Amino acid sequence: DIQMTQSPSSLSASVGDRVTITCRASQSITTYLNWYQQKPGKAPKLLIYAASSLQSGVPSRFSGSGSGTDFTLTISTLQPEDFATYFCQQSHSIPPAFGQGTKVEIK
Amino acid sequence: QVTLRESGPALVKPTQTLTLTCTFSGFSLSTSGMCVSWIRQPPGKALEWLARIDWDDDKYYSTSLRTRLTISKDTSKNQVVFTMTNMDPVDTATYYCARKRNSLGGAHDYWGQGTLVTVSS
Repeated sequence: DIQMTQSPSSLSASVGDRVTITCRASQSITTYLNWYQQKPGKAPKLLIYAASSLQSGVPSRFSGSGSGTDFTLTISTLQPEDFATYFCQQSHSIPPAFGQGTKVEIK
Repeated sequence: QVTLRESGPALVKPTQTLTLTCTFSGFSLSTSGMCVSWIRQPPGKALEWLARIDWDDDKYYSTSLRTRLTISKDTSKNQVVFTMTNMDPVDTATYYCARKRNSLGGAHDYWGQGTLVTVSS
């Protein structure tokens, strides 16, 4: 099974900051990498699919990059509504594992 | 408008079998490329993918849990049924069903609200 490792597990940032979250796969997944945002008590929401494609309706301050084993989610200018937990997920092979999550907190 | 909704018991006893139903609308599971997954999340922990059923009735299961899981679909009712046998307190979690689309690189683009299942005697 492919393992997904996110870093950091949590971070503190201020509104307006640029935030970067990293996800690493245990083997190459080409660009089969998706990013989700989850707020407390809510279901995850798809932000980025296929490593860098922005899901419809998601603000352009979110972007994704990477291929192979190393991927990045970037929030260019952090907004108050962006404080949440972010998960990566590989969809290259079964089982489609998730990362352990990165909690973005208010500094 | 695509919606999914999970239903089932909120409380199950250890060793019992959990049966959850995902009722969806806005798409058909007979359409090529459409799939529905079950994913769970223990309180305060990460997401764990459990099972998936595809439009062509192919089924896939978690490596570690496959002996306990069954997934099936009723296309006419727009429902996916998920069962997990021999429930244990460590299976306490919010269980989600979600749509997966091959055209989105296999991402899950719509999720149900989730249903919290507690395993306790």
